[in-house]
Amino acid sequence: EVQLVESGGGLVQPGRSLRLSCAASGFTFDDYAMHWVRQAPGKGLEWVSYISWNSGNLDYADSVKGRFTISRDNAKNSLYLQMNSLRAEDTALYYCVKSSAPKERDYGGNSDFDYWGQGTLVTVSS
Amino acid sequence: DIQMTQSPSSLSASVGDRVTITCRTSQTISRYLNWYQQKPGKAPNLLIYAASSLQSGVPSRFSGSGSGTDFTLTISSLQPEDFATYYCQQSYSTPWTFGQGTKVEIK
Repeated sequence: EVQLVESGGGLVQPGRSLRLSCAASGFTFDDYAMHWVRQAPGKGLEWVSYISWNSGNLDYADSVKGRFTISRDNAKNSLYLQMNSLRAEDTALYYCVKSSAPKERDYGGNSDFDYWGQGTLVTVSS
Repeated sequence: DIQMTQSPSSLSASVGDRVTITCRTSQTISRYLNWYQQKPGKAPNLLIYAASSLQSGVPSRFSGSGSGTDFTLTISSLQPEDFATYYCQQSYSTPWTFGQGTKVEIK
């Protein structure tokens, strides 16, 4: 059974940093690209970032580019999101998401998101 | 960026009703369109991928159609567990964008 378990969320002041983690299990982690998707309270879904299976290809939404860094450790089956210079508008539930396409068919993240974690809440407020 | 427009934003329906949700994209995306269901307090769940392929484990009352810029999600006979918010998402080009959601409520 595929499991994605996020951690690291919390209350943080504007301008500060936070690092999210996602522990993956139930599938061959290094065969798949991964994403972070967020959802502000009461709002819709917003894609945040993508990382290819070998970390060779990274991508970010314009809203977080230059402030957030995605990374992964395939030996630990873990995905990370380093969030710097946090703003109030970054307040959201952050989901760790698995790409459905295996690495041979991943072209920069162009596939559906077949498994989602339960999310970790980040609140940016003074 | 590809803009996604869902309609309606919300609807009220009864158990047994046929429900149709539409998603329109700002540019052609072939069939790179996916649908998700999200229940309150839960993570989204993939229903349909590549416009019309049913994800494993999803009931057959869900179906998707369309290509280019116009897509449809249909629930053939609404069940109590289907009351939720539905999102379309394009996987044609980055940034990977979602529709604003359609909330399906009980009439």
